[in-house]
Amino acid sequence: QVQLVESGGGVVQSGTSLRLSCAASGFSFTTYGMHWVRQIPGEGLEWLAVISYDGRNQHYADKVKGRFTISRDNSKNTVFLQMNSLNPEDTAVYYCAKEIYRGIAGSVYYYYGMDVWGQGTTVTVSS
Amino acid sequence: QSVLTQSPSASGTPGQRVTISCSGSSTNIGSNTVNWYQHLPGMAPKVLIHSNNQRPSGVPDRFSGSKSGTSASLAISGLQSEDEADYICAAWDAGRNTYVFGTGTKVTVL
Repeated sequence: QVQLVESGGGVVQSGTSLRLSCAASGFSFTTYGMHWVRQIPGEGLEWLAVISYDGRNQHYADKVKGRFTISRDNSKNTVFLQMNSLNPEDTAVYYCAKEIYRGIAGSVYYYYGMDVWGQGTTVTVSS
Repeated sequence: QSVLTQSPSASGTPGQRVTISCSGSSTNIGSNTVNWYQHLPGMAPKVLIHSNNQRPSGVPDRFSGSKSGTSASLAISGLQSEDEADYICAAWDAGRNTYVFGTGTKVTVL
């Protein structure tokens, strides 16, 4: 079955960096875009970034643009989120999620949202 | 700040029908499909409806979605106690090139 497993979370100091990983299985990873989403304690879901199936197209939320970078390694069925200059407001549970529809080679990149989610990894940034 | 607006709460007794609304704009709901997620504390969100009204396999047909203009709705018929959760709408926003979530509606089964 489709499975996404996040890792790399932990407790870090403000100003430092962290790289999250999401290992995918059970579907054709190389044909689907992937998202990162977080939930800050006591708040709703916040979309962070998306990367196309081939890694050539990315979009970011304004709040993290320039600090976070999404990437993927299709040979390892893994998507990453590099987070720099972390601050306490980045404390959250971070989820990776799979795009609903597969991408089509040669066509414009479209994003429809996510269907399958991982269980999340917790990042705590202390000041 | 969420771009999609939902009522903070909704409630009903077992067996009742509850409807949750989601209001957006021309750049998100008005021009892209809407997805609905169920989120329980400590759990990963689960997609209930995608592409406005498509129910993934395994989701009970008590859940249904619709969209009109810049608004969307999720209906839960035959409300059950296990439906107590947060329900969140979402859509791609072509104006911002970002995915946007609703503010969430907490459903309580009385």
